[in-house]
Amino acid sequence: DGGITQSPKYLFRKEGQNVTLSCEQNLNHDAMYWYRQDPGQGLRLIYYSQIVNDFQKGDIAEGYSVSREKKESFPLTVTSAQKNPTAFYLCASSGTGGQPQYFGPGTRLTVT
Amino acid sequence: DQQVKQNSPSLSVQEGRISILNCDYTNSMFDYFLWYKKYPAEGPTFLISISSIKDKNEDGRFTVFLNKSAKHLSLHIVPSQPGDSAVYFCAASVYNAGNMLTFGGGTRLMVKP
Repeated sequence: DGGITQSPKYLFRKEGQNVTLSCEQNLNHDAMYWYRQDPGQGLRLIYYSQIVNDFQKGDIAEGYSVSREKKESFPLTVTSAQKNPTAFYLCASSGTGGQPQYFGPGTRLTVT
Repeated sequence: DQQVKQNSPSLSVQEGRISILNCDYTNSMFDYFLWYKKYPAEGPTFLISISSIKDKNEDGRFTVFLNKSAKHLSLHIVPSQPGDSAVYFCAASVYNAGNMLTFGGGTRLMVKP
């Protein structure tokens, strides 16, 4: 049963705390991505990774960090430096050569 | 600078009729286009794609049309069903440039029974 999993579905944190969102895929995809969605808006790219041990900043990388130690996993850390961390976070993966990105179910992060 | 735009934030259609969702882009390098459907609090689901060598691609009730000269694509859903009610995002990429997608802002489709 292939797919992308994100955990947890809902996450609550106090301001000033770092928090790590999990993303795992068993689709054997090389590329993985993190997006953020705010109410009424589209998806904005935070970070992406085309291959293990390599990743690149997207359009809104400030206040976030990632790692890609395994092909299957691409965790995202939301640091205390992120000014507006409350959002819906989506992880995606894709194969190479113009294939669609496939998305996980998302994690809603609320920071108070 | 929004490179992919969906100018209609919402669309309401009667069940059984055609839904037409529109998307415009400005970057002439884009050569691969996709449509995603998204329900609240869920991840987007891939619907259909089209490459720039085609002007039409069909999959069941879903057809995507591409007008390269106008930098415009549209998604047609026929017939529309209440279960189609969701937010639809168009996305664009440059085929050999790492699969990076640029998304439009989305159009909320409401199909009334």
